[in-house]
Amino acid sequence: GAVVSQHPSWVICKSGTSVKIECRSLDFQATTMFWYRQFPKQSLMLMATSNEGSKATYEQGVEKDKFLINHASLTLSTLTVTSAHPEDSSFYICSASGWGEQFFGPGTRLTVL
Amino acid sequence: GQSLEQPSEVTAVEGAIVQINCTYQTSGFYGLSWYQQHDGGAPTFLSYNALDGLEETGRFSSFLSRSDSYGYLLLQELQMKDSASYFCALPWGNRDDKIIFGKGTRLHILP
Repeated sequence: GAVVSQHPSWVICKSGTSVKIECRSLDFQATTMFWYRQFPKQSLMLMATSNEGSKATYEQGVEKDKFLINHASLTLSTLTVTSAHPEDSSFYICSASGWGEQFFGPGTRLTVL
Repeated sequence: GQSLEQPSEVTAVEGAIVQINCTYQTSGFYGLSWYQQHDGGAPTFLSYNALDGLEETGRFSSFLSRSDSYGYLLLQELQMKDSASYFCALPWGNRDDKIIFGKGTRLHILP
């Protein structure tokens, strides 16, 4: 089956620093990738839709200047959390579209001190 | 917009059957999906209903009634490994399009 990886699986950073999270589709090409955020014991909230070669489409309420998304190739999308603060601590999950389905990555646990 | 309602928690006994209900509101309906998520893990796809009726996949079944904007996930022969959160979700369009998730139902299984 289709595999989506994320790197890193977890990261701890200091407040004010930036963190980059990678999402890769390993065995298929994904023209569209999605980024979700999940706080403890809550649902997955869609942050943005990332299309290869074009600007990401952000959901209402998501700051595009804080959460920078780049989808430079058909197998890689990156999410950069700029000037991270403790309230950005969350579980970030990407997914990639392929073969009419959506496949989820294993998630990245971000903790901002 | 879209919204989904499902119970926050359900408790059942190992070997039993449990049903998790979901009601939804949406301006455009394409189908209803179900996902399972274990603590600390990614959601995994369980089922998808675009038409009314019951879809069966092994121990799991999913039902949809479009006229009632209602669906449910039925889990049979519960096993301890089924302890997880279950989300109903609305694909925005096709199944590979963005997804709006419900708040999730935490399933607790007692031995």
